[in-house]
Amino acid sequence: NAGVTQTPKFRVLKTGQSMTLLCAQDMNHEYMYWYRQDPGMGLRLIHYSVGEGTTAKGEVPDGYNVSRLKKQNFLLGLESAAPSQTSVYFCASSFEGRAGRAYEQYFGPGTRLTVT
Amino acid sequence: AQSVAQPEDQVNVAEGNPLTVKCTYSVSGNPYLFWYVQYPNRGLQFLLKYITGDNLVKGSYGFEAEFNKSQTSFHLKKPSALVSDSALYFCAVRDFKAAGNKLTFGGGTRVLVKP
Repeated sequence: NAGVTQTPKFRVLKTGQSMTLLCAQDMNHEYMYWYRQDPGMGLRLIHYSVGEGTTAKGEVPDGYNVSRLKKQNFLLGLESAAPSQTSVYFCASSFEGRAGRAYEQYFGPGTRLTVT
Repeated sequence: AQSVAQPEDQVNVAEGNPLTVKCTYSVSGNPYLFWYVQYPNRGLQFLLKYITGDNLVKGSYGFEAEFNKSQTSFHLKKPSALVSDSALYFCAVRDFKAAGNKLTFGGGTRVLVKP
């Protein structure tokens, strides 16, 4: 199993450019997440998905869009990149959480994005 | 709303000494609590979790954590630290009612184990 993979690993964008980050998981997880990590702020949830064809906003969704057309893939898009979006982006996945059960999230290796 | 606080930005410890990384949480209902570790230029790796039952939870790499409901804390511990334990540690909480299995992470604590 590859687990959770992310492409690309690094990217430099100019302000106003667009890009898509791809996340893929091979663990048949129902739930998938996109986070950003900034120094001293831990991880903040951008968007998440509880199943194929569904997405929901997290803590910091502005400036990002997502799609989950296939269960194993979760795409994060930046339509018009801004310097404030310079960050490390992590994708994660987990089994469905049910009452009395809490499944850990599995993380990808991250994408380091710089917007100049 | 759920929140997590890690009061120490960095913890320094000598190899062989006990290691403690502190975490306090706030949730409206019963908490599910997690610890993750992040090595340089890597993603987060799961260490352990508390859902219910025994307040002392054992996890990977010799780590354990103690759940204290009255103090709303979930401190991570290791009896004898190794240089290889140097990393960034995150505590996370999920309210059992939260939809989507969403976690809220603390700001992280950097652990430096000196030989």
